[in-house]
Amino acid sequence: DTAVSQTPKYLVTQMGNDKSIKCEQNLGHDTMYWYKQDSKKFLKIMFSYNNKELIINETVPNRFSPKSPDKAHLNLHINSLELGDSAVYFCASSPQTRLPSGNTIYFGEGSWLTVV
Amino acid sequence: DAKTTQPTSMDCAEGRAANLPCNHSTISGNEYVYWYRQIHSQGPQYIIHGLKNNETNEMASLIITEDRKSSTLILPHATLRDTAVYYCIVMNYGGATNKLIFGTGTLLAVQP
Repeated sequence: DTAVSQTPKYLVTQMGNDKSIKCEQNLGHDTMYWYKQDSKKFLKIMFSYNNKELIINETVPNRFSPKSPDKAHLNLHINSLELGDSAVYFCASSPQTRLPSGNTIYFGEGSWLTVV
Repeated sequence: DAKTTQPTSMDCAEGRAANLPCNHSTISGNEYVYWYRQIHSQGPQYIIHGLKNNETNEMASLIITEDRKSSTLILPHATLRDTAVYYCIVMNYGGATNKLIFGTGTLLAVQP
């Protein structure tokens, strides 16, 4: 079974549309993240949630709204999509926000978003 | 901003050891060194991490210098499937807002 799963894997949509990417982890982790990888391949954190509470918000436009219905899920909703939103979005999870020795962050396989 | 410096790319012959260097001269006492890799079109994959001592697992070995200002990731017998971008990251383990800050990484190309 996939530890961190994201859907959809590929998404092509028009500018101005609203879309969501779903993420689920079956690892029992407390913390989940969204990362964005742009066309230049830079990976940057967008958000992190710990037990459904927002912990990190890296000055992402408020068109991006994460939603965590429970600690196993962190969905990313994007309103009014723009061309610059085209990227690969990675969901990730870790046991807790503090990472003492032995804890790591596990990533999903990514969701390829193309805005046309 | 990333706190590490890595070569942009490296080549390695299949079956030989791949040694990937990383400089982290501003590392602080409570920061770990983490290594991740990203194979093309996949999500980043954890490899190994360490604080002061050298570490080894089934994937790789991590050698950290005594002053902790640099480290080397060693893949003992590289295969074609090890071709990937390798990221060296330093991260505080005790903060309430841990986050991996990725740099540009090293593209390791394993040649047949």
